Amino acid sequence: DGGITQSPKYLFRKEGQNVTLSCEQNLNHDAMYWYRQDPGQGLRLIYYSQIVNDFQKGDIAEGYSVSREKKESFPLTVTSAQKNPTAFYLCASMDLGRGSTDTQYFGPGTRLTVL
Amino acid sequence: GENVEQHPSTLSVQEGDSAVIKCTYSDSASNYFPWYKQELGKGPQLIIDIRSNVGEKKDQRIAVTLNKTAKHFSLHITETQPEDSAVYFCAATDSWGKLQFGAGTQVVVTP
Repeated sequence: DGGITQSPKYLFRKEGQNVTLSCEQNLNHDAMYWYRQDPGQGLRLIYYSQIVNDFQKGDIAEGYSVSREKKESFPLTVTSAQKNPTAFYLCASMDLGRGSTDTQYFGPGTRLTVL
Repeated sequence: GENVEQHPSTLSVQEGDSAVIKCTYSDSASNYFPWYKQELGKGPQLIIDIRSNVGEKKDQRIAVTLNKTAKHFSLHITETQPEDSAVYFCAATDSWGKLQFGAGTQVVVTP
């Protein structure tokens, strides 16, 4: 069963706590992405990585951190510095090899709620 | 940077009718335009995409048209069915190859 998995599906956090969202893919894709989705808005890019041990800030990186120690894994940490972290978080991956279709494939998402 | 605008924000259609969603983009260098369907509580799924060297693409009841000169592209769904009810997002690549998304269209198909 191939694809992108995200865990947990639901996550509750107290104010002031850091939390880490998991994203794993077994598609052998080079690039991985984290997006934030708020009601009535499109997806906004938080961070992305095109190769292991390298990642770039997206449009709304403040208050978030990532790591890319393995090709198949791209965890996102929501830190206490993120002012309004309640949102739906989506992970995506894309093949960058020859013949790539430029298509990003999404995981099922994690809904984070700050209590 | 790239700015993608999507209209309408909500669309209600009778089953069997057609639905059209329109998007405009600002970056003339954009060359890839995917459409995603998102059901409640799930991740977006690609339904169709088009590249800048093509004006139209069809896949069964779904079609996408692209007007590079006017910088707009549209999604057409014919013979709508209740299972077409979802939020649809358009997107366009920016100059760095990253996707910029529209705000989404909530489509409701009523029997």
